[in-house]
Amino acid sequence: QKEVEQNSGPLSVPEGAIASLNCTYSDRVSQSFFWYRQYSGKSPELIMSIYSNGDKEDGRFTAQLNKASQYVSLLIRDSQPSDSATYLCAVDSVNAGNNRKLIWGLGTSLAVNP
Amino acid sequence: EPEVTQTPSHQVTQMGQEVILRCVPISNHLYFYWYRQILGQKVEFLVSFYNNEISEKSEIFDDQFSVERPDGSNFTLKIRSTKLEDSAMYFCASTAANYGYTFGSGTRLTVV
Repeated sequence: QKEVEQNSGPLSVPEGAIASLNCTYSDRVSQSFFWYRQYSGKSPELIMSIYSNGDKEDGRFTAQLNKASQYVSLLIRDSQPSDSATYLCAVDSVNAGNNRKLIWGLGTSLAVNP
Repeated sequence: EPEVTQTPSHQVTQMGQEVILRCVPISNHLYFYWYRQILGQKVEFLVSFYNNEISEKSEIFDDQFSVERPDGSNFTLKIRSTKLEDSAMYFCASTAANYGYTFGSGTRLTVV
């Protein structure tokens, strides 16, 4: 059974701080990794995708991938109250027939306090 | 920016009734998906669809579920006889090969 694990939180940070979100996954052959933001009652919204080891930066967001450790993280710099949401880690899983699907973590609830 | 459109946004149905959830994927995408999220639980894969047929389905996707792409633009999920435990948010997604997934805004299904 392929799994994606995240700390459910809540993670609480003050406004302006760095929020660090972590994710581990079990499928060693996965190549594509995504962070989605989900507000309550809404659909997931793609924040970052990462495909190679190392860091990928986009504005205030940095995704980090370590395939050897099967670990993905998301850093949010200068956190804003509007960043308060649940952050979902999703891993692209490909089966023997080359069919893709996303395997999801439960999500980490982030609260940014003004 | 292209969007995946889902209708209705909220559907309330009685147990045992049939429901059809509708999705219009992004026009040049080739792969289509349904996922669901029961309140407080993980997003779960239901089914993927490519080239007018199911490419993969999960254990959840039993005989009560079916998908169709009736006219080249719509992509529907039918639940034949709804159960209380089918109450969830249902998300449609589409993707071109090797790119990220775009999700629709979801349909909240409430079975009473």
